[in-house]
Amino acid sequence: TQLLEQSPQFLSIQEGENLTVYCNSSSVFSSLQWYRQEPGEGPVLLVTVVTGGEVKKLKRLTFQFGDARKDSSLHITAAQTGDTGLYLCAGAKDNFNKFYFGSGTKLNVKP
Amino acid sequence: GAVVSQHPSWVICKSGTSVKIECRSLDFQATTMFWYRQFPKQSLMLMATSNEGSKATYEQGVEKDKFLINHASLTLSTLTVTSAHPEDSSFYICSANLGTEAFFGQGTRLTVV
Repeated sequence: TQLLEQSPQFLSIQEGENLTVYCNSSSVFSSLQWYRQEPGEGPVLLVTVVTGGEVKKLKRLTFQFGDARKDSSLHITAAQTGDTGLYLCAGAKDNFNKFYFGSGTKLNVKP
Repeated sequence: GAVVSQHPSWVICKSGTSVKIECRSLDFQATTMFWYRQFPKQSLMLMATSNEGSKATYEQGVEKDKFLINHASLTLSTLTVTSAHPEDSSFYICSANLGTEAFFGQGTRLTVV
């Protein structure tokens, strides 16, 4: 059973479009992180959000942590082909000592 | 950011043999490391927490005798898949925390034939 559910599971869009990926749970997390993973490689950290209601922007990416620290969203503006990859959210529990991953969202941005 | 290195990147072994995967924190010390397993097109599933100088903590459903973990130093944890079978074929990834952030190794693709 996945502690964190992501939606959608798959997303195929044209370059220039906007998209939002959601990460939901019934559990409260100390922090939440978003990663992007390329095939055959380990996940690469994009951002960490710690405070409920926090919003962080990283160029065209906007990350939000829910007020109750149970959910998060990732919004990409004007997607580029280089954004293609597997996006994973991960929630930290036990005083930041354990990370549990979401079910993943496979994004394909077509030229 | 911090660097975590895994070795080997890929390995093919015969059914019944054991395979050891190493995870090293290159520029920081990690009293705790984590081992994950990832099936194709799926997310990472936490297998166990590796604790330096003490026994690993396994997640529910993970066989501790099957997946032996040793964390002998502050920069090295090893995962040994014992008596490997084809169903153990998977992508194994380790991570180590630095502060509130987790840094991941490159992953090891294990294929058991």
